[in-house]
Amino acid sequence: EIVLTQSPGTLSLSPGERATLSCRASQSVSSSYLAWYQQKPGQAPRLLIYDASSRATGIPDRFSGSGSGTDFTLTISRLEPEDFAVYYCQQYGSSLALTFGGGTKVEIK
Amino acid sequence: QLQLQESGPGLVKPSETLSLTCTVSGGSISSSSYYWGWIRQPPGKGLEWIGSIYYSGSTYYNPSLKSRVTISVDTSKNQFSLKLSSVTAADTAVYSCARVVLLWFGTAYFDFWGQGTLVTVSS
Repeated sequence: EIVLTQSPGTLSLSPGERATLSCRASQSVSSSYLAWYQQKPGQAPRLLIYDASSRATGIPDRFSGSGSGTDFTLTISRLEPEDFAVYYCQQYGSSLALTFGGGTKVEIK
Repeated sequence: QLQLQESGPGLVKPSETLSLTCTVSGGSISSSSYYWGWIRQPPGKGLEWIGSIYYSGSTYYNPSLKSRVTISVDTSKNQFSLKLSSVTAADTAVYSCARVVLLWFGTAYFDFWGQGTLVTVSS
């Protein structure tokens, strides 16, 4: 099973600032098969990024994903008030065992 | 617009079987492009994939839960279901159903989610 470790656990930033979230895999994720989700309190997760860098339908271009192998990054170029949430990464390089990271909370400073 | 809705008891006794159903509307569960999955989230914790099913009945299960999980599909009702046996307090979580994109090699990411339903395991 591929274990995903997200850091930091909490990111305290102000609106307008840039957010950089990390997701590190315990072994290489084949073909960059990694997704990112946003979850707000009481809501279902929303798909942001798939294949490490492709934005899902309707996702603003301030969200971008990058990385390969074992190191992946989600960047929010300029935080909007609605972006304060918890973000999860998920790998599907091993489709027999889909796994999620523990999450990064982006909170208002 | 695709919608998924979970239903089932919110309280289950320890050692019993948790049973939930996901009803899909706005789309067909028999699409060849998707699997259908269950994910859970214990209160205040992260996400855990439970398993996924294709309309034909083909399944993938999380190895850590495989011995206790059964996922089934009813294409006539556009529904799929989860059964988790021998539950304990550790199985208390919000259980969500979701559509899973199917790629050439297998299941991938979750592009539509239900709102989730809290299941508490307690006597």
